Amino acid sequence: DAGVIQSPRHEVTEMGQEVTLRCKPISGHNSLFWYRQTMMRGLELLIYFNNNVPIDDSGMPEDRFSAKMPNASFSTLKIQPSEPRDSAVYFCASSLNPLGGGTDTQYFGPGTRLTVL
Amino acid sequence: DAKTTQPTSMDCAEGRAANLPCNHSTISGNEYVYWYRQIHSQGPQYIIHGLKNNETNEMASLIITEDRKSSTLILPHATLRDTAVYYCIVRVTGNQFYFGTGTSLTVIP
Repeated sequence: DAGVIQSPRHEVTEMGQEVTLRCKPISGHNSLFWYRQTMMRGLELLIYFNNNVPIDDSGMPEDRFSAKMPNASFSTLKIQPSEPRDSAVYFCASSLNPLGGGTDTQYFGPGTRLTVL
Repeated sequence: DAKTTQPTSMDCAEGRAANLPCNHSTISGNEYVYWYRQIHSQGPQYIIHGLKNNETNEMASLIITEDRKSSTLILPHATLRDTAVYYCIVRVTGNQFYFGTGTSLTVIP
């Protein structure tokens, strides 16, 4: 089974440019999460979707960040315009929300390392 | 907010058992204990989780004290590839995962 797939794995861009990160969750999972990891702040949740609907975007740093999930097998995280402080590793994770009990273990993708010059 | 306390770093000799402790003294009855690890530059990897009983899988064992206020992750025969940051997380199903700073485990040849 393929795990969570993210692309690109590395992205280098210049300040002011638009950046789009992509994620394909594990087939059958109904929740998707976007995280950002930096040395200073560790691993932070940015936004998560349940059944393609954004549930909590309180972690999104500002209006320059937006995320979409047009269908169950694809999500994007967009930064426009990008700034050097956005440099980080961005992870996508997915899980299966249990109905009637159980746990919803999250499985992470390999990440996208973003560098904004 | 992280509800767990872990040592910042630990060393373990290759081939020996690595025992990673975690304190979660404020854990509530419906909170699970999860363990993840992150090998440098990779995504966090799920290891194991439990509620009350001890658990074992192909990667590790999880020992939870009877009062559930602490737990230990055991890697029975540590290898160099187990060098990573290990995160102990407590949460209710459906709530966020807060990863904290974890324990940096170094397996020494």
